[in-house]
Amino acid sequence: DGGITQSPKYLFRKEGQNVTLSCEQNLNHDAMYWYRQDPGQGLRLIYYSQIVNDFQKGDIAEGYSVSREKKESFPLTVTSAQKNPTAFYLCASSITVGGGQPQHFGDGTRLSIL
Amino acid sequence: RKEVEQDPGPFNVPEGATVAFNCTYSNSASQSFFWYRQDCRKEPKLLMSVYSSGNEDGRFTAQLNRASQYISLLIRDSKLSDSATYLCVVKGGSTLGRLYFGRGTQLTVWP
Repeated sequence: DGGITQSPKYLFRKEGQNVTLSCEQNLNHDAMYWYRQDPGQGLRLIYYSQIVNDFQKGDIAEGYSVSREKKESFPLTVTSAQKNPTAFYLCASSITVGGGQPQHFGDGTRLSIL
Repeated sequence: RKEVEQDPGPFNVPEGATVAFNCTYSNSASQSFFWYRQDCRKEPKLLMSVYSSGNEDGRFTAQLNRASQYISLLIRDSKLSDSATYLCVVKGGSTLGRLYFGRGTQLTVWP
């Protein structure tokens, strides 16, 4: 089945530790996105990528880094510089950035601080 | 001003009721509009796109008023399974085409 796979589902991080969240898609989509959702809040864009080897900062990129070495993969690293990383992280993809296509989401990773 | 504003809810309605959600957006150049549904502790899932002429999908009707920059979602004959948070989503007017999400409106349908 085609879709977006995020792993792990739950992740615990110690203070000062970097962690990487995985996002893989087999939909052949060019565009991929990372969002953060906090309780009672809307989704906020962290980073997005329009095409392989290209990515752009979203609204809250500080403390995060990404790479897009393959079309299928868009991992997100939460660095120790992110002081409040506890949140629900959602990866999404769409055929392209432009046009009227919606985005489709993976089932998310919940990150908590130990 | 936020890009997308929604009724905060929560809406608590009995089965069979008709319920309407509203949403306004700030960027008049916005191109595409969607309603997503998000169940508790799950990812958002596309419910329906919203077209200029309005569109219907079973019990769900979406309408767009570009002049007022207003989007609505009507749910008829509510089911228990409709209980969820409904997100109003607007695609920006730039070539970037990024999505802007409302905070969501929580709906609970009770028996």
